[in-house]
Amino acid sequence: DIVMTQTPLSSPVTLGQPASISCRSSQSLVHSDGNTYLSWLQQRPGQPPRLLIYKISNRFSGVPDRFSGSGAGTDFTLKISRVEAEDVGVYYCMQATQFPHIFGPGTKVDIK
Amino acid sequence: EVQLVQSGAEVKKPGESLKISCKGSGYSFTSYWIGWVRQMPGKGLEWMGIIYPGDSDTRYSPSFQGQVTISADKSISTAYLQWSSLKASDTAMYYCARRVRKDYYDSWGQGTLVTVSS
Repeated sequence: DIVMTQTPLSSPVTLGQPASISCRSSQSLVHSDGNTYLSWLQQRPGQPPRLLIYKISNRFSGVPDRFSGSGAGTDFTLKISRVEAEDVGVYYCMQATQFPHIFGPGTKVDIK
Repeated sequence: EVQLVQSGAEVKKPGESLKISCKGSGYSFTSYWIGWVRQMPGKGLEWMGIIYPGDSDTRYSPSFQGQVTISADKSISTAYLQWSSLKASDTAMYYCARRVRKDYYDSWGQGTLVTVSS
């Protein structure tokens, strides 16, 4: 199975400042169809997960443009350009290129 | 509007059986995969498995193969996750989620909390 790692696991940030989360997979996430099925999800406290980014860099409907995704192959990054109070929560990367689908361990973002 | 509505919280004893549900609405239920995700208390998300209600094609994570059964009844647009003999370690929140094509999980249920305690 593919192993997903994330760094950091905890990220205290100042409101209005940027945040960055790295996600790495143990093998390439490029599918045989040429797409890379790497997504990012946010889970606010007490809530179900919410999709933010799919296929590395595509923002899902309704997601603010302060969220952006980048990367290729095995290395991916989620960036929040200016953290707002509502961004507090845990962020997960997830690969859906091959079964079993795997989540990263999660990165907790909170306010300093 | 796409919605996934899960059944309510359950409290069970070790060794008991359980079946929880996830009802889809607002879309063609048979055309999208439905996945199940476990979240143990204070922990991260774990992918358990997935079913395509159109033909009942089902895939499991090796970690959950043989421990749970995923099924679906397309006549009532409902997916299920079931256990034949619960353990205390099955205590967790369980989410269902819709998978779009070969890609992302865009809609999530509200979660079903399962508590297993003697």
